[in-house]
Amino acid sequence: AQSVTQPDIHITVSEGASLELRCNYSYGATPYLFWYVQSPGQGLQLLLKYFSGDTLVQGIKGFEAEFKRSQSSFNLRKPSVHWSDAAEYFCAVGPPTNDYKLSFGAGTTVTVRA
Amino acid sequence: DSGVTQTPKHLITATGQRVTLRCSPRSGDLSVYWYQQSLDQGLQFLIHYYNGEERAKGNILERFSAQQFPDLHSELNLSSLELGDSALYFCASSVASGGDEQFFGPGTRLTVL
Repeated sequence: AQSVTQPDIHITVSEGASLELRCNYSYGATPYLFWYVQSPGQGLQLLLKYFSGDTLVQGIKGFEAEFKRSQSSFNLRKPSVHWSDAAEYFCAVGPPTNDYKLSFGAGTTVTVRA
Repeated sequence: DSGVTQTPKHLITATGQRVTLRCSPRSGDLSVYWYQQSLDQGLQFLIHYYNGEERAKGNILERFSAQQFPDLHSELNLSSLELGDSALYFCASSVASGGDEQFFGPGTRLTVL
């Protein structure tokens, strides 16, 4: 069975500082990998996804993620955080099949301090 | 705005009751997915419909059922409600399936008293 672990429940970062959110997955093969962001009272928005190819993936809002097969990880990074990045971030995996369902991690809440 | 609409935004009901949540996918999307987000279980996949047919089931209780209609909107029916069913229910849609980006609606917050 597939599973996703986000080890950090809550991260506080200063505005302008860099941010890295960790994600580890368990799956028999290389799954599809995603990062979503959820702002308070909002639905989820896709930041980026990895299916295959280049292991460094660029997303929206200045985010990037790196897939490391040897570590079963897909960590999300942003070089310089803005106050508007305060939100909850979810890593998700999905099997590379047509019957497609996402398994989400527990989420990491990011607080940005001025 | 993702283009996915969900109604109602909030729903308060009593234990034992039945409710229906509605989702309209983005124009042109054939797939609809339902997710439940609760404090103790996190975000869990419930069910996936593609062009009117059920394609995949996740952790969906037998008291819950869903369908996708010919106009592609979907309804999630929750019956014999329990306190533990209180959660945020999201609908998402995608063009087809198999890895397409899923666009999430704003959710329906269900409170069971």
